[in-house]
Amino acid sequence: SAVISQKPSRDICQRGTSLTIQCQVDSQVTMMFWYRQQPGQSLTLIATANQGSEATYESGFVIDKFPISRPNLTFSTLTVSNMSPEDSSIYLCSVEGRGGYNEQFFGPGTRLTVL
Amino acid sequence: QKEVEQNSGPLSVPEGAIASLNCTYSDRGSQSFFWYRQYSGKSPELIMSIYSNGDKEDGRFTAQLNKASQYVSLLIRDSQPSDSATYLCAVSLAGGGNKLTFGTGTQLKVEL
Repeated sequence: SAVISQKPSRDICQRGTSLTIQCQVDSQVTMMFWYRQQPGQSLTLIATANQGSEATYESGFVIDKFPISRPNLTFSTLTVSNMSPEDSSIYLCSVEGRGGYNEQFFGPGTRLTVL
Repeated sequence: QKEVEQNSGPLSVPEGAIASLNCTYSDRGSQSFFWYRQYSGKSPELIMSIYSNGDKEDGRFTAQLNKASQYVSLLIRDSQPSDSATYLCAVSLAGGGNKLTFGTGTQLKVEL
C-alpha cells in the first residue's frame, strides 16, 4: 500500500483562525479523501478530492468552511477555516487502493485542538 | 436506521479466546466490505476485506459475509492483548462511487 504522510501531526489553534493540513502520498493516486473523526466517534467523510476537478463535499460540509486543493496526483490540502472549538477533531486523509474494490488506506492523521 | 451498525462494546475476551465482531448494513446492493483496526491515538489500519459470500481467512483473522442477511463479521482466533483496539466496519454502498461508510466501531479488550 502507499505511504501517506500528513502535516502537521497536531496543532493547537485559536478560534477564528484557519489551519491548512497537507497530505502527501508516495505514489500517484486518482482519488483522495478527507475525513473527520471527533472524539470517541467514527469517521465522517468530508469530501472526495480528484485531481483536476473540484472536490465533492458530503452533506453538512461546505467549501467555504473546508476548502480543498488537489494540485497533482500525490498531494492534497484541507483547510479548516474560521475555526471554533467544535472543529476540534482528528482530520484524516486517505487514498484509494489499487485493488479496484474501493479499499482505502489512511494517513496518520492531524489532531486539531481549537481554543 | 443507520447505514452501517456495530455494537460499540466494549467486548472483553480472555487471552487465547476467539473474539467475534459483528456488523450489519442497510444497503442490499453493497459490494465491498472492510474491517479496520484502530489503536487509540492512531489512524485506521485495513486488516481484512471481503467481497463475496462466505469466509475469508488471513492468519488469525476470518471475515464472514452473508449478503442475504446483510451481515459481515470478523473472527479473531487466539486473541492477544495486542489485539485490543477499536474495530471499524466499512462498507462500499451501491451507487456510492468510491466512498466508504463506516460503522461506529466496536472496542475490543483482550484480558490476560
